[in-house]
Amino acid sequence: NAGVMQNPRHLVRRRGQEARLRCSPMKGHSHVYWYRQLPEEGLKFMVYLQKENIIDESGMPKERFSAEFPKEGPSILRIQQVVRGDSAAYFCASSPRTADGYTFGSGTRLTVV
Amino acid sequence: EDQVTQSPEALRLQEGESSSLNCSYTVSGLRGLFWYRQDPGKGPEFLFTLYSAGEEKEKERLKATLTKKESFLHITAPKPEDSATYLCAVQENPGRGTSYGKLTFGQGTILTVHP
Repeated sequence: NAGVMQNPRHLVRRRGQEARLRCSPMKGHSHVYWYRQLPEEGLKFMVYLQKENIIDESGMPKERFSAEFPKEGPSILRIQQVVRGDSAAYFCASSPRTADGYTFGSGTRLTVV
Repeated sequence: EDQVTQSPEALRLQEGESSSLNCSYTVSGLRGLFWYRQDPGKGPEFLFTLYSAGEEKEKERLKATLTKKESFLHITAPKPEDSATYLCAVQENPGRGTSYGKLTFGQGTILTVHP
């Protein structure tokens, strides 16, 4: 029973490039959440998705960031035109129902050079 | 806006020396309070969810309690393998602009247990 799978584990992008982070939820989980952990800061909520729907994107930056959870395949967090300030660990979590003890993945560490 | 404050920021214990971690919160309507453990380079690992004041939950050497303003994570006779960052998070009842999906995390307490 694989846990929440995130890939890649580490991603290096130059300023201005695009970053695509993937998250496969646990089997049977249809709710996905993305969080960001900036250096020296706590985990910050970004977005909550169900299959083909964005439920809550109140934590998403207004520009350059987007997320999707298609009917088939993993959830994708996409960051366009990355800047140094986007360097962080991005964690995905999933749950079978709304927010009862999510299971987190190991994260993708994005470094923008 | 929800606020979650954890103290102390760091705690160093000797093996077997029991102690408590604090999580103070301000939220308009608490649905749940979560405790997680995070090891370096890994994602948070779920420990407990507490829903109402007076509730307590235990797991091995850990016991979590909840009041209307704060939660405590008690660690009894800790071992070096308990060393980690412990995170507290609150989930608010959904309203305008919020959902059950959003957890607001504290900054964490870094626990180090020396043999």
